[in-house]
Amino acid sequence: QQQVKQSPQSLIVQKGGISIINCAYENTAFDYFPWYQQFPGKGPALLIAIRPDVSEKKEGRFTISFNKSAKQFSLHIMDSQPGDSATYFCAASIPGNQFYFGTGTSLTVIP
Amino acid sequence: DTEVTQTPKHLVMGMTNKKSLKCEQHMGHRAMYWYKQKAKKPPELMFVYSYEKLSINESVPSRFSPECPNSSLLNLHLHALQPEDSALYLCASETEPTSGNQPQHFGDGTRLSIL
Repeated sequence: QQQVKQSPQSLIVQKGGISIINCAYENTAFDYFPWYQQFPGKGPALLIAIRPDVSEKKEGRFTISFNKSAKQFSLHIMDSQPGDSATYFCAASIPGNQFYFGTGTSLTVIP
Repeated sequence: DTEVTQTPKHLVMGMTNKKSLKCEQHMGHRAMYWYKQKAKKPPELMFVYSYEKLSINESVPSRFSPECPNSSLLNLHLHALQPEDSALYLCASETEPTSGNQPQHFGDGTRLSIL
């Protein structure tokens, strides 16, 4: 059973556009929601993370929106650049427990 | 460069070989993880070490044998692997095993190919 559902599987965005990736979960015990960015041949790198007591967190061009009642969270990439082309994974965790990853979104930003 | 270092970066081995993957971190983290990642898939948890003790083994075949000699080092010993074991093997570390609200820091992995 997939603990965290992620969509879309792939995304193509024009340079300068907004990329939006969505994730949903069921387990209300989750209390930490990171997003990871992974380039080919590299390990996942933490991009941004949020806790459920905050509805939005912004770091540069990257924003997480969190809807606790809907059990959904999303990553927004503003002014998307070709260098943002990568695979993005959302995740969720419970203290003292493992991370549960979404299935990943392959983002391509075309010039 | 990541703060979690994995060696080797690439490994090709036959099904009868014995090899080891190595992971090091010097951030003082007390939780370390092994993941397996297939192409275009999320990382799959294999093992978790908390304070140098194995705390989670996700039903991994015995041909994979983890070892944590000290708080900075994690090994994965490989023996008699199958072609389906070809994947990217990722190591990760976390500040404290039970703190929550902390990210896992990943290395760049070892690309393993089984002939």
